[in-house]
Amino acid sequence: DTAVSQTPKYLVTQMGNDKSIKCEQNLGHDTMYWYKQDSKKFLKIMFSYNNKELIINETVPNRFSPKSPDKAHLNLHINSLELGDSAVYFCASSRSNTEAFFGQGTRLTVV
Amino acid sequence: AQSVTQLGSHVSVSEGALVLLRCNYSSSVPPYLFWYVQYPNQGLQLLLKYTTGATLVKGINGFEAEFKKSETSFHLTKPSAHMSDAAEYFCAVPNTGFQKLVFGTGTRLLVSP
Repeated sequence: DTAVSQTPKYLVTQMGNDKSIKCEQNLGHDTMYWYKQDSKKFLKIMFSYNNKELIINETVPNRFSPKSPDKAHLNLHINSLELGDSAVYFCASSRSNTEAFFGQGTRLTVV
Repeated sequence: AQSVTQLGSHVSVSEGALVLLRCNYSSSVPPYLFWYVQYPNQGLQLLLKYTTGATLVKGINGFEAEFKKSETSFHLTKPSAHMSDAAEYFCAVPNTGFQKLVFGTGTRLLVSP
């Protein structure tokens, strides 16, 4: 019974393609996030959603579009993929004002 | 803005030796503070957290951290390293409003036999 699950774990795609990463949490949390980890292991917030409402969009290109159909899901759609989008993307969730729980990550490789 | 600084991108210890990973935070108000661990090809797992109260915080796998306001530090320690402790360790602090976590640059712990 995985707490935060994201799919796929690995994604290899060509430049210019559109792809989606899905995330689901079964913890009953009200806040969900997308973080990006680059090749130097730097972790940076991309988006935060609270009760399905976007509360943080951290200067992410508008090729990235998150969608939260309900409080348990936060998907990430990426248009026109570029080489520089290659990274590990982590979904996370939390209750308000508490620690975040992370998924296993999706390693995106753009070729 | 809240931030954390981790000194040392790599720390090498021998099995059985003391582990010390450094984290300093910048804030005039005692914040929440977290240590996360990332094993190879895995997500981040919470090791321990400081909120309020006791300044010595015990976490999983024998790790602990002490919140020192006078030094604005929250260093992570473990008395005796094990091979399985080899991983990347991240210190983190929430931003004002707790809308996100701000992570340090990470410290890779290497444990040799």
